[in-house]
Amino acid sequence: QSALTQPASVSGSPGQSITISCTGTSSDVGGYNYVSWYQHHPGRAPKLMIYDVRNRPSGVSNRFSGSKSGNTASLTISGLQAEDEADYYCSSYTSSSSVLFGGGTKLTVL
Amino acid sequence: QVQLQESGPGLVKPSETLSLTCTVSGGSISSYYWSWIRQPPGKGLEWIGHIYYSGSTNYNPSLKSRVTILVDTSKNQFSLKVTSVTAADTAVYYCARTDGRRMDVWGKGTTVTVSS
Repeated sequence: QSALTQPASVSGSPGQSITISCTGTSSDVGGYNYVSWYQHHPGRAPKLMIYDVRNRPSGVSNRFSGSKSGNTASLTISGLQAEDEADYYCSSYTSSSSVLFGGGTKLTVL
Repeated sequence: QVQLQESGPGLVKPSETLSLTCTVSGGSISSYYWSWIRQPPGKGLEWIGHIYYSGSTNYNPSLKSRVTILVDTSKNQFSLKVTSVTAADTAVYYCARTDGRRMDVWGKGTTVTVSS
């Protein structure tokens, strides 16, 4: 089981929008609408930002949105803020009833 | 609200068994799945496995032969055992509440180092 593929890093200026991709296969991302996104500040617990492709948990800013097309899911952050700088991980339910994470993307707010 | 706290030895010798416990407070362990996830130094998150409160489990295929997750509903705890550890098992270990697909409540994590 290889990790889902994410870009190693993305960057953007405050106020801009960025998108992070997460590519898998038909056995995970493409086969189920069970993609989640997590924000992880080093030294802290990861935080669920998006679940089931596009749903936001209560309390998560509507600047965060998710989508999916085929075997690729995406996280978009609009109106970038300094506090958005963190590592972001996607995950997907798989055909073996397991969970698979992406390799992680480091977001830098310039 | 529900809070999770990992506990266990921070140092384990190679070839020995790593044992961690996650204590659930502020809510019942029943009616949810409970996960273990780890992050090796400088690497990404890795799902280890999860257990339903009834005791049914699912494990990462790459770790399945060495991992056991158990639940103790009387103590509102669940645990992780990893046998025959090597330096590659050095990581921050997190426990989390899950519905089997998403992890919505996480512990703060505990660092485990495998070294003689």
